[in-house]
Amino acid sequence: DGGITQSPKYLFRKEGQNVTLSCEQNLNHDAMYWYRQDPGQGLRLIYYSQIVNDFQKGDIAEGYSVSREKKESFPLTVTSAQKNPTAFYLCASSIRGSRGFGYTFGSGTRLTVV
Amino acid sequence: EDQVTQSPEALRLQEGESSSLNCSYTVSGLRGLFWYRQDPGKGPEFLFTLYSAGEEKEKERLKATLTKKESFLHITAPKPEDSATYLCAVQAKGSGNTGKLIFGQGTTLQVKP
Repeated sequence: DGGITQSPKYLFRKEGQNVTLSCEQNLNHDAMYWYRQDPGQGLRLIYYSQIVNDFQKGDIAEGYSVSREKKESFPLTVTSAQKNPTAFYLCASSIRGSRGFGYTFGSGTRLTVV
Repeated sequence: EDQVTQSPEALRLQEGESSSLNCSYTVSGLRGLFWYRQDPGKGPEFLFTLYSAGEEKEKERLKATLTKKESFLHITAPKPEDSATYLCAVQAKGSGNTGKLIFGQGTTLQVKP
């Protein structure tokens, strides 16, 4: 079945450590997105990519980095520069420039700072 | 600034008690409005897309409607399994072909037996 796989489901980060969240899709979607979800707030866009080897900053990109070397993969690195990384991270994909297809979401990664 | 506001933040219903969730939006031209359902600890699941005022979509006990300023998600005779957080999102024409969605903060629905 086609879908988006995020791993790990739970991740713990120590102070000063970089961690990478994995996102893989087999939907043949061109566009991929990373959102952050905090309690009581809407999803906020971190980074997005429309095509391989190209990506753009979203609304809250500081302290995060991404790569898009393959169409299927869009990993997110949470760097030590992100001072408040504890959150639920969601990866999504869609048909590029689509009108009306919306997103397919992964199951999320919960990141906690210890 | 493009903005999406959902109300109420939380809603508690008895099984069979119909109600509506509201999504108010301010965007520089609407390309599409989306409703998602999210269960605790999981990713959102797509429900509906609406494009223009007057449009309606239905799925089982859910019906989504759209006006020029807001959308409603009507839940008819809800069951406990309808308990979830419902997210509303809009895609603005100003976003070009980026596909960016702007999300509301969600309405958490609890349906008691």
